[in-house]
Amino acid sequence: DVKVTQSSRYLVKRTGEKVFLECVQDMDHENMFWYRQDPGLGLRLIYFSYDVKMKEKGDIPEGYSVSREKKERFSLILESASTNQTSMYLCASSSRFWGSNQPQHFGDGTRLSIL
Amino acid sequence: GNSVTQMEGPVTLSEEAFLTINCTYTATGYPSLFWYVQYPGEGLQLLLKATKADDKGSNKGFEATYRKETTSFHLEKGSVQVSDSAVYFCALSGSGGSYIPTFGRGTSLIVHP
Repeated sequence: DVKVTQSSRYLVKRTGEKVFLECVQDMDHENMFWYRQDPGLGLRLIYFSYDVKMKEKGDIPEGYSVSREKKERFSLILESASTNQTSMYLCASSSRFWGSNQPQHFGDGTRLSIL
Repeated sequence: GNSVTQMEGPVTLSEEAFLTINCTYTATGYPSLFWYVQYPGEGLQLLLKATKADDKGSNKGFEATYRKETTSFHLEKGSVQVSDSAVYFCALSGSGGSYIPTFGRGTSLIVHP
């Protein structure tokens, strides 16, 4: 089974801090994604990566950056955390090998609170 | 662009009732369609999928049929259990060759004993 592991289930940080959320997958997937999930808004894509060192902005990239130095690891960075970034963050991965219609595999999420 | 529309929740049912959650989509080409489920405190997990018109996906008693003529992929279950209480997301992928899926906003299901 594919395993997507997010480093923290719960995280509390202060306004202005630099915050790192880590995600690791063990199935050699090329695609990795970061979403945030807020009540009533569903899933919103922050960033997408289709290969090492490659990234594309999603729908809401402002205030975030990402890093993909190794195929299995995709990091989300909040450069200067603000209270409106309090949310549930979900990492996902998928294969490119079998085409663009493959399902995603999700981690359990990180519930981030910015105080 | 692509879009997925789901019925708004919450959907509240008694145990053993019949479930339908409606999902319609707009997309170019021939996307694959998915239902994901999110249990409390967890990430999303794939429930079922269908890759072409008239395909039926099924898993754990849930079913959905890919209807191209009505651009729909409604989720059904004949007899729900309390353990089915979760949020259900309809999604599509592969439209126009894009690797970025489009999700509906999710429908919360609450099943009472």
